Amino acid sequence: RKEVEQDPGPFNVPEGATVAFNCTYSNSASQSFFWYRQDCRKEPKLLMSVYSSGNEDGRFTAQLNRASQYISLLIRDSKLSDSATYLCVVRGLNSGYALNFGKGTSLLVTP
Amino acid sequence: NAGVMQNPRHLVRRRGQEARLRCSPMKGHSHVYWYRQLPEEGLKFMVYLQKENIIDESGMPKERFSAEFPKEGPSILRIQQVVRGDSAAYFCASSPPYGAYEQYFGPGTRLTVT
Repeated sequence: RKEVEQDPGPFNVPEGATVAFNCTYSNSASQSFFWYRQDCRKEPKLLMSVYSSGNEDGRFTAQLNRASQYISLLIRDSKLSDSATYLCVVRGLNSGYALNFGKGTSLLVTP
Repeated sequence: NAGVMQNPRHLVRRRGQEARLRCSPMKGHSHVYWYRQLPEEGLKFMVYLQKENIIDESGMPKERFSAEFPKEGPSILRIQQVVRGDSAAYFCASSPPYGAYEQYFGPGTRLTVT
């Protein structure tokens, strides 16, 4: 079983739509959780950290469910510029500072 | 404040040659990580270094690959006797010294082995 699993998509949504991505992780000792975005095989860029209490940054909301080992990202009012691959990232207790990346979920926002 | 810098951005090597990839962390960051992204795959951790120390190299192939982060100068990822399977994007990330978990990535080096 992969450490971090995501639905690869693609998700095709119209501008203004709300879209949600899910991610599961296998290591129950995981400590830190993030969402990164990656455009066209460029470098991953940190979108937001994910906290146990959930957190929101503008149109983006992240949730963490430790009991189910599940992380989500909600994007409201999608923009064309949100088109990218969204990477779910987990850092485990025993992996030092190494990040474990999911393969990503592809989002295409259309006019 | 300059971000993480990597060079070269693109590198072409013939099978059997050596590849050297360089990474300069963000100003004030002393932790460096190398990741590899094969075509159609996710990023995979290779090695974590601090100045003059390899902290975790559990993701590094046992042969042909080495990394260093000297007291002065950039971190270097070295691949000896490259093979076609080494063709990938190699990303470097850095983080501050006070234990922050967020890592910031450089633009990557795309290695093509012909």
